This record gives sequence, structure tokens and C-alpha cells, in this order.
Amino acid sequence: GENVEQHPSTLSVQEGDSAVIKCTYSDSASNYFPWYKQELGKGPQLIIDIRSNVGEKKDQRIAVTLNKTAKHFSLHITETQPEDSAVYFCAASRGVGGGTSYGKLTFGQGTILTVHP
Amino acid sequence: GAGVSQSPSNKVTEKGKDVELRCDPISGHTALYWYRQSLGQGLEFLIYFQGNSAPDKSGLPSDRFSAERTGGSVSTLTIQRTQQEDSAVYLCASRFSGTGGSYEQYFGPGTRLTVT
Repeated sequence: GENVEQHPSTLSVQEGDSAVIKCTYSDSASNYFPWYKQELGKGPQLIIDIRSNVGEKKDQRIAVTLNKTAKHFSLHITETQPEDSAVYFCAASRGVGGGTSYGKLTFGQGTILTVHP
Repeated sequence: GAGVSQSPSNKVTEKGKDVELRCDPISGHTALYWYRQSLGQGLEFLIYFQGNSAPDKSGLPSDRFSAERTGGSVSTLTIQRTQQEDSAVYLCASRFSGTGGSYEQYFGPGTRLTVT
């Protein structure tokens, strides 16, 4: 089955700096890669996602890049703010294309991001 | 609109008791997933429902775990004869999988289960 590795496990940055979190996956059939932000006591919140037919996607201060050949994808947060502090999870799935309708997510182990004012 | 809701938010039970956890998906979402989040195992898939199809139970850790989805909407996850290792946060997610269906899964706030 799919295996997703996520690094680093903790990341501490100063407000205004950039933060980068990296994930690798093992299943070459995976075609959907979401990122979730989880705050204490809450469920994971989808913040950005990318499909395998795209190499990069950006939404304001957040961007995700995907390298299908190397089987890795990364989350980039620019101009970090204290409210970005949370646990971030990457995930991979076979999505819902190609006649399947499944979407089971395999998650990385999470990154605790702390942004210091 | 309303998101995924789960109840109860917290549940403390004694070892050996049965528990039921409830999930109300986003209206119109036909795909529903249960995941478990624990310190040792991270976020792991448990079971998947899609419309009237047979559920995918491949992630259930033992036969003490079962789930059902009535009327294609509300789902209940049941854990029988709870063990301390069942202590975790149980998360439910739903996805729109109709015509032009999407990939995105939206999570509820979870139920924190503590087995004493």
C-alpha cells in the first residue's frame, strides 16, 4: 500500500520567514495530494491540494509543488504569521479519476509548525 | 453551510464497554470516511462508504470495530469490548462524489475516546 513520509516533524520560524514542509510517497498510482492544517482540539482543515497533472499550485501565501518523477511534494508558506502555528499533514491518494471512486487518504506523520512573533 | 458534525465530542468509557460514535456528513456528500488519530499511529484510514455500495472495511483494526451508514447519510462507528489501545480521536470526513465529483475531503471535529 501507499506510504507517506513527512519532514521535518517540528519546524520553528520567526514571523515573516518562509516555512517549507516536504513529503515523499511510494505509490506511483497516487494522483491527489492534499495538505491539511490541524489546530488544537479541531479536525484537519484542507488548505491546499494538487493533482498529478499539475506541477505547482499557489493560493495567496501558500503554495504546493509536486515532482511526480521523484515522488515528492512540498508545502511552502511565505510571510508566516503566528496564526499559521498548527500541525500540518500531507496526504496522498489515488483520488477519484480513471474510473475509480475511492479517495482513501494516506497521511504523513505531521509537522508541528511554530511561528514566533 | 454546515460542515461535518460528530458526536459526542468526548467520550470516556471503561475497558470492556461498547461505544457508538456518530457522524453527520455535509448534506449531499455521498462518500463518507472514518479515520483514527492516535499518538503512535498518526492518522489512519478505517472505513469508507460510497452511496449504496458495499463499504471498504480494509482499515478496521479488528472485528470489534464496525460501522454502518443509514439512508446514505448519518454514519455510526461502533467499538465493542473497548480496549485501552482504542483510545484515540475518531475523525469522520465526507466528499461530494456525484456527477463531476470532487477529490476534497472535509473533516469533522472528531470524537476523543478515552478508555480507562
